[in-house]
Amino acid sequence: GAVVSQHPSRVICKSGTSVKIECRSLDFQATTMFWYRQFPKQSLMLMATSNEGSKATYEQGVEKDKFLINHASLTLSTLTVTSAHPEDSSFYICSARPGGDQETQYFGPGTRLLVL
Amino acid sequence: QKEVEQDPGPLSVPEGAIVSLNCTYSNSAFQYFMWYRQYSRKGPELLMYTYSSGNKEDGRFTAQVDKSSKYISLFIRDSQPSDSATYLCAMSARSSYKLIFGSGTRLLVRP
Repeated sequence: GAVVSQHPSRVICKSGTSVKIECRSLDFQATTMFWYRQFPKQSLMLMATSNEGSKATYEQGVEKDKFLINHASLTLSTLTVTSAHPEDSSFYICSARPGGDQETQYFGPGTRLLVL
Repeated sequence: QKEVEQDPGPLSVPEGAIVSLNCTYSNSAFQYFMWYRQYSRKGPELLMYTYSSGNKEDGRFTAQVDKSSKYISLFIRDSQPSDSATYLCAMSARSSYKLIFGSGTRLLVRP
């Protein structure tokens, strides 16, 4: 149980284009989903928290107009990197938190984005 | 000072050794403690989840939480080369769903 998928696993795009990454909880409903960014040999950096049906809460320093997050259902959240630039190249990982008392988060396999 | 401190390693041990990984933290509000394992270019995988102080065992893994010392540990018995990965501690307070991560410890188990 507690499987989270991400799609695509890897994407290469040209500078100026937009890229959408999907995150799905496959066998549970996620009241909250999180988006992280991870640079090589570094820990995870939380970008934003999204609750189903409401606007995402962004961490300080994260541009909400650049990183659009939509949490349309209890099993799906999307991150759209708009007008991507080479400095947006990174490993993006989502996680999902089941409802109830569980404080744990289950992570997706990550999406590697390369902007040329 | 970071909220969660974790030695980045790398920690290199021979196969079969007992591995001890540790994190210290400063926020006394943390009540939920987790250990994740992350292989290169993969998402973190939840290994252990502990609420408040105490020990928890699952197979070769044992997690310990000492809230009085603000110190958590993960022990791996009979370590295997397949255990080679980065281990991340994470914790949260009841009032917040955000996980605060350590920087991760790279472990290498030599055959």
